Amino acid sequence: DTGVSQNPRHKITKRGQNVTFRCDPISEHNRLYWYRQTLGQGPEFLTYFQNEAQLEKSRLLSDRFSAERPKGSFSTLEIQRTEQGDSAMYLCASSLGTPDQPQHFGDGTRLSIL
Amino acid sequence: AQSVTQLDSHVSVSEGTPVLLRCNYSSSYSPSLFWYVQHPNKGLQLLLKYTSAATLVKGINGFEAEFKKSETSFHLTKPSAHMSDAAEYFCVVSNTGNQFYFGTGTSLTVIP
Repeated sequence: DTGVSQNPRHKITKRGQNVTFRCDPISEHNRLYWYRQTLGQGPEFLTYFQNEAQLEKSRLLSDRFSAERPKGSFSTLEIQRTEQGDSAMYLCASSLGTPDQPQHFGDGTRLSIL
Repeated sequence: AQSVTQLDSHVSVSEGTPVLLRCNYSSSYSPSLFWYVQHPNKGLQLLLKYTSAATLVKGINGFEAEFKKSETSFHLTKPSAHMSDAAEYFCVVSNTGNQFYFGTGTSLTVIP
């Protein structure tokens, strides 16, 4: 069990640029989640996948945001035309997908918009 | 509908004294409940989980929590705080394993 891995750890970009983050979940986990966390707040749900299928998206996930999990393994989260308000920590988690199983989190990608 | 309320945004204790972090939940079904800890610039680490077995749950680093259905509470405790316990703590509820609902967090400060 190598844990959930996220890359990059930090991303600084100018407003209006596109950014893409990657998440590699624990290999046997079929569920993968993306969260956004701003300073002093708990994680806010963005979307989750069951294998390669994206099953639910939060209304926080505007049309500038897109997530994929093409082969049911790693996932990418892309933000197009970034805005100042996108500055946050983006957390990925994976789980076995049953109610008694917890999520395992990566260390996150911190996005800073200049 | 499910939700979690962490009753204290900040808790400060002296090293070696007990810790109590309070959490109340709302759930339409029998919930699964979790406590996570987050150190600065890190992801969340699972401390313990309740999944309808024993109501007193023991976790890592000496933490434990008691599920009280009548009070809809799942408070986190530790008999003796250590400096390394200073962090942000999140209470989380789920009933289907599809979505997890986070509290707003409690920041624990440990005074030497």
